Amino acid sequence: DVKVTQSSRYLVKRTGEKVFLECVQDMDHENMFWYRQDPGLGLRLIYFSYDVKMKEKGDIPEGYSVSREKKERFSLILESASTNQTSMYLCASRPGTANNQPQHFGDGTRLSIL
Amino acid sequence: SQKIEQNSEALNIQEGKTATLTCNYTNYSPAYLQWYRQDPGRGPVFLLLIRENEKEKRKERLKVTFDTTLKQSLFHITASQPADSATYLCALDMKTGNMLTFGGGTRLMVKP
Repeated sequence: DVKVTQSSRYLVKRTGEKVFLECVQDMDHENMFWYRQDPGLGLRLIYFSYDVKMKEKGDIPEGYSVSREKKERFSLILESASTNQTSMYLCASRPGTANNQPQHFGDGTRLSIL
Repeated sequence: SQKIEQNSEALNIQEGKTATLTCNYTNYSPAYLQWYRQDPGRGPVFLLLIRENEKEKRKERLKVTFDTTLKQSLFHITASQPADSATYLCALDMKTGNMLTFGGGTRLMVKP
């Protein structure tokens, strides 16, 4: 069974801090994703990585960056956290690039920026 | 612009009845449509995928239909159980590239 593990379930940070959210998958999947989920807005894609060191912007990349140095790990970075980045962050992985493959999600990191 | 609509109001039904959830989309012709289940505090879990040339797909008590003329997918759970209570999300490949766009989800409550 595919396992996608997010390093923290809950995180509290202060405005202006640099925040790292980590995600690890154990099935050698090529594609990894970062989403944020907010009430009334659903899941929105922040960044997508289709291979090591490769990335594409999603719908809402502003204020975020990502890093994929190893295939199993995909990190989301909030360069200077702001209160409007308080949200649930979800990581997902997928075997390859085709949209006919399911995405496998972690259980999320609930991030609060004070 | 492209848009996916799921009923944001919760759907309350009695145990044993069939639950029907709707996913409507505009301004695009997706090749695939996926349905996910999400429990509180957990990530979404994949349930079913249906292709544009398939009218219907079944898996145990689940049935998904895909009407590309109406631009609508229906998700049915037959003989519903309280354990089916969750939020259900639809997702489509709305854009060129390899990304999915998710709907806002519909919360289903099955009462015993």
